[in-house]
Amino acid sequence: SYVLTQPPSVSVAPGQTARIPCGGNNIGTKSVHWYQQKPGQAPVLVVYDNDDRPSGIPERFSGSNSGDTATLNIARVEAGDEADYYCQVWDNSRDHYVFGIGTKVTVL
Amino acid sequence: QLQLQESGPGLVKPSETLSLTCTVSGGSIRSSRSYWDWIRQPPGKGLEWIGSIYYSGSTYYNPSLKSRVAISVDTSKNQFSLNVHSMAAADTAMYYCARRSMDTAAFHIWGQGTMVTVSS
Repeated sequence: SYVLTQPPSVSVAPGQTARIPCGGNNIGTKSVHWYQQKPGQAPVLVVYDNDDRPSGIPERFSGSNSGDTATLNIARVEAGDEADYYCQVWDNSRDHYVFGIGTKVTVL
Repeated sequence: QLQLQESGPGLVKPSETLSLTCTVSGGSIRSSRSYWDWIRQPPGKGLEWIGSIYYSGSTYYNPSLKSRVAISVDTSKNQFSLNVHSMAAADTAMYYCARRSMDTAAFHIWGQGTMVTVSS
């Protein structure tokens, strides 16, 4: 089964850029999607297909994907960006969708 | 604007079957560009994909759950449903329904979720 590796937590000062990695074997060959989940709420898609944003998602959210690491970048971090962030891909070896364990972003 | 709403029992006894329904509003479940999925999240843990259905009735499931899960669709009611058999404590989770675009493997729209506890 395909495994996605995320750090449990990332801390960032307001106004700085948060970088959230998602590791996987040759993940650069896959489409990676990112979700934001605030406490008590359903996940919200913030980046899909590596670097596309759904309508309504601020341009501060961006993604990249190469080699064995995909990254979600949050520029000019705000207090309201505090949340858990999950990466997700399609595992074509077992025909199912896989999520990372999630990264908790804390704004200092 | 497309919205999804889960409904079902909040409490299920061990060994029983869980039945949940997701009602789609603001759009048709018969959309040729949409798949309809179930995803769950145990308390304090990450997300787990359960399975997916197309309006035609074609389904596919997480291999780890396939033996206990069934997803069905009722296009006349604009709903799709999830059955999980032989529920155990490990199945205690928030259950979400979601809409996935045919063009991408991303889950673009989610319901608010419904909490299911397995306990006698």
